[in-house]
Amino acid sequence: AQSVSQHNHHVILSEAASLELGCNYSYGGTVNLFWYVQYPGQHLQLLLKYFSGDPLVKGIKGFEAEFIKSKFSFNLRKPSVQWSDTAEYFCAVNGLGNNRLAFGKGNQVVVIP
Amino acid sequence: NAGVTQTPKFQVLKTGQSMTLQCAQDMNHNSMYWYRQDPGMGLRLIYYSASEGTTDKGEVPNGYNVSRLNKREFSLRLESAAPSQTSVYFCASSESGTAREPQHFGDGTRLSIL
Repeated sequence: AQSVSQHNHHVILSEAASLELGCNYSYGGTVNLFWYVQYPGQHLQLLLKYFSGDPLVKGIKGFEAEFIKSKFSFNLRKPSVQWSDTAEYFCAVNGLGNNRLAFGKGNQVVVIP
Repeated sequence: NAGVTQTPKFQVLKTGQSMTLQCAQDMNHNSMYWYRQDPGMGLRLIYYSASEGTTDKGEVPNGYNVSRLNKREFSLRLESAAPSQTSVYFCASSESGTAREPQHFGDGTRLSIL
């Protein structure tokens, strides 16, 4: 079964600081990787996704993620956060031929103005 | 374009009561999903429907039933609500249900069982 681990569930940082959220998965085959964001009181929205090709993918709002196959990781980064990035961030994984997403437990990020 | 619409947005039930959560999507998507979100647990899949006429159990199906009424609608039923079912429930849909399709989420139903 596929599983997803996200560490540092609560992250507090100041505006302009850099953000990196770790995501590790356990699945032996080819994977599809997603980061979703949930702003306070809102539904989940797709931030970015990786299927194949360039392992560095860029998403909306200045976010990017890097797929490192050897480390089973798909870490999310943003060089300079804003107050509006306060949200919960979820990493999700599924394998080819499997349309069921496995979500991590999420990272609650609070950006202090 | 409404996307995925869930009703109701909030509900309080007493233990043992029954309730159906409604979900409808207007994107002509084939696949639909029900998740529950609990603090520190992320999202866990309850049931999903890969296409109209099919439903399958997810990670945490016990205590729930689903109905894929038509291509647009996918309902979740709690036959006898329990306090452990207090949660935020999200419905989602995807175009084809293949692994590369991102899922589109509704705004959620916040359910409290007393």
